[in-house]
Amino acid sequence: NAGVTQTPKFQVLKTGQSMTLQCAQDMNHNSMYWYRQDPGMGLRLIYYSASEGTTDKGEVPNGYNVSRLNKREFSLRLESAAPSQTSVYFCASRNPGQLYGYTFGSGTRLTVV
Amino acid sequence: DAKTTQPNSMESNEEEPVHLPCNHSTISGTDYIHWYRQLPSQGPEYVIHGLTSNVNNRMASLAIAEDRKSSTLILHRATLRDAAVYYCIPAGNMLTFGGGTRLMVKP
Repeated sequence: NAGVTQTPKFQVLKTGQSMTLQCAQDMNHNSMYWYRQDPGMGLRLIYYSASEGTTDKGEVPNGYNVSRLNKREFSLRLESAAPSQTSVYFCASRNPGQLYGYTFGSGTRLTVV
Repeated sequence: DAKTTQPNSMESNEEEPVHLPCNHSTISGTDYIHWYRQLPSQGPEYVIHGLTSNVNNRMASLAIAEDRKSSTLILHRATLRDAAVYYCIPAGNMLTFGGGTRLMVKP
């Protein structure tokens, strides 16, 4: 089915380890987003990419880097994981303009011990 | 960014209509009002969005106040599968999620 695919679905890291969360969409959307959701909380924007070749910080960018590899793929990297980064990470995409809604992936559940 | 106020939780009986309110008194004139829902252990799912006129789709209806300071998401016949957290989001270029309304549906 068309949509947003996130890998991996689950991950446990030790403090200080690094990893990259992958996101790919097959809807030819221009904009892509990374959110995190802590237990019992709403989603907070980490980084976004309005179009291929551009990235911008969101509300909580510290400790993360992103790469818009091509139009389909937008990755999120944790260089040195910390327990405070334990969360569920969601990727989303949409076409620009207010006529369109956002499509979200099913999430990556990350635990940092 | 526009601030929103939604009830923390609401209850409904199965197969009855549900009206989920949202206040967004600081919304800008060009922001659409988006509604998303999040089922347990899933990512948010688009429900509906609109600017000024009431909107209908297969999932729900959206009633927008004439002054655009509030809106109401209407589920015409709630089912158990509609139990979720519903987020009302006035959006420009990106979504900013608040706490949402947790809808519980009783059989």
